[in-house]
Amino acid sequence: SQQGEEDPQALSIQEGENATMNCSYKTSINNLQWYRQNSGRGLVHLILIRSNEREKHSGRLRVTLDTSKKSSSLLITASRAADTASYFCATAFYGNNRLAFGKGNQVVVIP
Amino acid sequence: DTAVSQTPKYLVTQMGNDKSIKCEQNLGHDTMYWYKQDSKKFLKIMFSYNNKELIINETVPNRFSPKSPDKAHLNLHINSLELGDSAVYFCASSQNTGRGNFQPQHFGDGTRLSIL
Repeated sequence: SQQGEEDPQALSIQEGENATMNCSYKTSINNLQWYRQNSGRGLVHLILIRSNEREKHSGRLRVTLDTSKKSSSLLITASRAADTASYFCATAFYGNNRLAFGKGNQVVVIP
Repeated sequence: DTAVSQTPKYLVTQMGNDKSIKCEQNLGHDTMYWYKQDSKKFLKIMFSYNNKELIINETVPNRFSPKSPDKAHLNLHINSLELGDSAVYFCASSQNTGRGNFQPQHFGDGTRLSIL
């Protein structure tokens, strides 16, 4: 299966610091999406970036996409305790009929 | 208003029983999904329906049977529950506009299934 792989798998940072996580994938994509999952809750969509886009912003979130390296990064600036969650990347492939989710990246923001 | 709601939130039952999980979305989406999330948080697609038609049927034991009475509902029935079925099951919906052009999915809060 063509699943995204997040890196690092677990990240612990102090409140106010920036958190960066990466996602790699294997084949050409139509779009790549990032989701957040708080403990005991469902996944919440954060940002969708299309294959012809290189960067996208949403509030304190910045997503980049490098299709030549088949990778994406999610940057959370000025992190808050409420950002503590698991973050997943998911890829939509041409000719496929599903999103492929990565294994997730646990981020802990220490107040 | 909850966009994707699934019931029950917790389901604790004995091995061998039959149980159902219900899901409803009020977003007007045409596609609904069932996912299974294991203890390591790996999310695996099980089924997907588009306008009440089954479009994804992954390698899932046939003890699992989805049913979509209309495009706003997708229920999951599980027969003869086994210990390995313990997991969190998520329902999701999206409005998909074409092959590979997947729009964001909206998830319910999950059903935590524990088999005794």
